[in-house]
Amino acid sequence: RKEVEQDPGPFNVPEGATVAFNCTYSNSASQSFFWYRQDCRKEPKLLMSVYSSGNEDGRFTAQLNRASQYISLLIRDSKLSDSATYLCVVNPGSYQLTFGKGTKLSVIP
Amino acid sequence: DVKVTQSSRYLVKRTGEKVFLECVQDMDHENMFWYRQDPGLGLRLIYFSYDVKMKEKGDIPEGYSVSREKKERFSLILESASTNQTSMYLCASGSRAEETQYFGPGTRLLVL
Repeated sequence: RKEVEQDPGPFNVPEGATVAFNCTYSNSASQSFFWYRQDCRKEPKLLMSVYSSGNEDGRFTAQLNRASQYISLLIRDSKLSDSATYLCVVNPGSYQLTFGKGTKLSVIP
Repeated sequence: DVKVTQSSRYLVKRTGEKVFLECVQDMDHENMFWYRQDPGLGLRLIYFSYDVKMKEKGDIPEGYSVSREKKERFSLILESASTNQTSMYLCASGSRAEETQYFGPGTRLLVL
């Protein structure tokens, strides 16, 4: 079983739409969780951390369900500039991070 | 702002050449990492280091070595480059306290 699984997409959504990505992880001892964003031919950049209580940053909301080992990212009012690949990332409790392969989002005018 | 720099953005080498990729971070981070990223395979960890002169193998260390003589600098060495090492190489650093990692801009290596 893959450690972090994501739907690769692509998700093609019109501007202004709401889109949600999901991710599942296999290691129940995982300590912390993140979403990274990667633009085409660029490096991954931290988008937000994910907490058990859920957290929101502007148009972005991240949620964690430890019982189901499931993480989500919701983007409201999508902008063209949101087009990117979104990586689900899990810290299993070591120095290392485990990266999903990413979900590609294209926001179309 | 955390800054992670890599010595080259693009590199073309020939099979059998020795290749050095350098990474420098300016945030006094303890941990540094080397990944490669290939289409369909995602990010794969090659080596990481949690302190000066310390190194640990990641998931795909074969054909690579690393050096960390100073805290801010982590080098990846391809002893004898092969065509299957053509890839995007990403360096990252992070502090033990924060748990996240910050990436450099990447080096696109082409081995002919």
